[in-house]
Amino acid sequence: GAVVSQHPSWVICKSGTSVKIECRSLDFQATTMFWYRQFPKQSLMLMATSNEGSKATYEQGVEKDKFLINHASLTLSTLTVTSAHPEDSSFYICSAGTPQGQGYGYTFGSGTRLTVV
Amino acid sequence: AQSVTQLGSHVSVSEGALVLLRCNYSSSVPPYLFWYVQYPNQGLQLLLKYTSAATLVKGINGFEAEFKKSETSFHLTKPSAHMSDAAEYFCAVRENQGAQKLVFGQGTRLTINP
Repeated sequence: GAVVSQHPSWVICKSGTSVKIECRSLDFQATTMFWYRQFPKQSLMLMATSNEGSKATYEQGVEKDKFLINHASLTLSTLTVTSAHPEDSSFYICSAGTPQGQGYGYTFGSGTRLTVV
Repeated sequence: AQSVTQLGSHVSVSEGALVLLRCNYSSSVPPYLFWYVQYPNQGLQLLLKYTSAATLVKGINGFEAEFKKSETSFHLTKPSAHMSDAAEYFCAVRENQGAQKLVFGQGTRLTINP
């Protein structure tokens, strides 16, 4: 079945530094990638949607200059948290879909636990 | 816009008992509905999905869900709970416009008592 590989699984960084999270679709082409943030014991909050070769579309309230999303190829999308601060500590999950959300549907990465100290 | 409501943020059942997790949706068009399971510090795993075919959908791990248009519901059931079913469960509806993103419910934490 469809697999999305997300790395790293967890990362600890110092306040003010940047962290990059990668999501790769291993056996299919991910035209669309969704990036979510999840706080403890809460549901997933969509941060942005990226399409290959295009600028990402950010949800209201999400700082696009802080959360940089790149989707340069059909198999790789990255989320960079710039100038991270403790309040950015969270669980970040990517999800890949096909253009019409059909076929494989939506496949999720395993998530990245970010801790900013 | 589509939306999903999961009734009960926490459900607790005994091992071997029936599992029932409730999900109601709001959609102006026939929806695509999903149930996902999440174990601690992991991503989401698809349990099953409804895509306007059969109203009774069978998924993995013995779970199934029935789409009831008249009740705008898509409840998840499993006849006999297993300890390994303890996890967080999310119901989601796919938006029909734009990027067709998923809209998630608040989630239901399932606890299994020995």
